[in-house]
Amino acid sequence: SQKIEQNSEALNIQEGKTATLTCNYTNYSPAYLQWYRQDPGRGPVFLLLIRENEKEKRKERLKVTFDTTLKQSLFHITASQPADSATYLCALASGGYNKLIFGAGTRLAVHP
Amino acid sequence: DGGITQSPKYLFRKEGQNVTLSCEQNLNHDAMYWYRQDPGQGLRLIYYSQIVNDFQKGDIAEGYSVSREKKESFPLTVTSAQKNPTAFYLCASSPVPRSSTDTQYFGPGTRLTVL
Repeated sequence: SQKIEQNSEALNIQEGKTATLTCNYTNYSPAYLQWYRQDPGRGPVFLLLIRENEKEKRKERLKVTFDTTLKQSLFHITASQPADSATYLCALASGGYNKLIFGAGTRLAVHP
Repeated sequence: DGGITQSPKYLFRKEGQNVTLSCEQNLNHDAMYWYRQDPGQGLRLIYYSQIVNDFQKGDIAEGYSVSREKKESFPLTVTSAQKNPTAFYLCASSPVPRSSTDTQYFGPGTRLTVL
């Protein structure tokens, strides 16, 4: 069966460290993968998109990697700040239109 | 939440009642979507619409209905046939439904509680 897995346990890190979140998938061949940020009680906000032929994408303190052999994407936040505390969702493109399949998300807590 | 509004933010319903959740966007997007989010689960697609007067069932459409009479509006009705309607409902839109790289823009969500 098709599955997208993100670490259900919260990730706690100290301010200034690099946070690394993982997204694993099975039985998909996504054309691209997206990462979203969601704050409590609010809708997700798009952060980054990476295509299947790209290994790495960066945006300011954010970096995403995409390994189609391992079927895994890693999401990094460098020099993390308490304001980065949120739940981060990965989403895969599935189908011939913009249909996204979302993981359950990983909650990140950055402590001062 | 940029250009997508959902109302109300909190909604309480008695069992056996239908209720309609509003979603409006001023982004001039063609495609709109409804998701349901439950604790510990990913967003699940209920219905989507790629163009006015057309919509398709998503993965969990049973007990829900939608309409798309205007480009900017995509209301969702939760009917009494929905067995477990208590959840956080999210509306989203994207500019070009068949693009391979379109991101989705989400509204602030409506939290529905069945009493």
